[in-house]
Amino acid sequence: EVQLVESGGGLVQPGGSLRLSCAASGFTFSAHWMHWVRQAPGKGLVWVSRIRNDGSSTSYADSVKGRFTISRDNAKNTLYLQMNSLRAEDTAVYYCVRVSWYNAFDIWGQGTMVTVSS
Amino acid sequence: EIVLTQSPGTLSLSPGEGTTLSCRASQSVISSYLAWYQQKPGQAPRLLIYGTSSRAAGIPDRFSGSGSGTDFTLTISRLEPEDFAVYYCQQYSTPLTFGGGTKVEIK
Repeated sequence: EVQLVESGGGLVQPGGSLRLSCAASGFTFSAHWMHWVRQAPGKGLVWVSRIRNDGSSTSYADSVKGRFTISRDNAKNTLYLQMNSLRAEDTAVYYCVRVSWYNAFDIWGQGTMVTVSS
Repeated sequence: EIVLTQSPGTLSLSPGEGTTLSCRASQSVISSYLAWYQQKPGQAPRLLIYGTSSRAAGIPDRFSGSGSGTDFTLTISRLEPEDFAVYYCQQYSTPLTFGGGTKVEIK
């Protein structure tokens, strides 16, 4: 079964750090670009970051640039999102997402909740 | 950045009715980069349509997409009870963007 399972979410104070992980299974992880998408409570979907299949290229939304770092370990079939200098507005469910060959998000994880609060 | 504006914000409809959801872009979108997703409460989004008009695997044919340039639509021909959800359009040019969503609720 093709699956993405996120972990690492939780409660963190403003200014703190958190690292999210996304374990992939059931497909050739190293063949796919991967993204993170977030959704604040009761709000819409917002793109956060993406990484090329071989990890050689990354891109970020302006709102997280310089604070978040996306990375991957193809040997471990795992995607990461290192989040530093967290702010209240980063509070959201974070989804790990696979990109299909037709440039759409065909597989989504179940999401992991990140709450930034004192 | 391409801004996607979805309308209306909410649709109140009855099962069996048909509907059209709109997604308007602030600048031209590559047709192969336009997708639609469905999200139900407490669930991750699910891909419905990619490349403007191609249905994803397992998506029933009552869902169809069309459009070009800056105007795109998602049509649901006959609403089934499981279709009441929030629908998002998305474009894939960096930075990727989503529309604000259209909620289809039971009247």
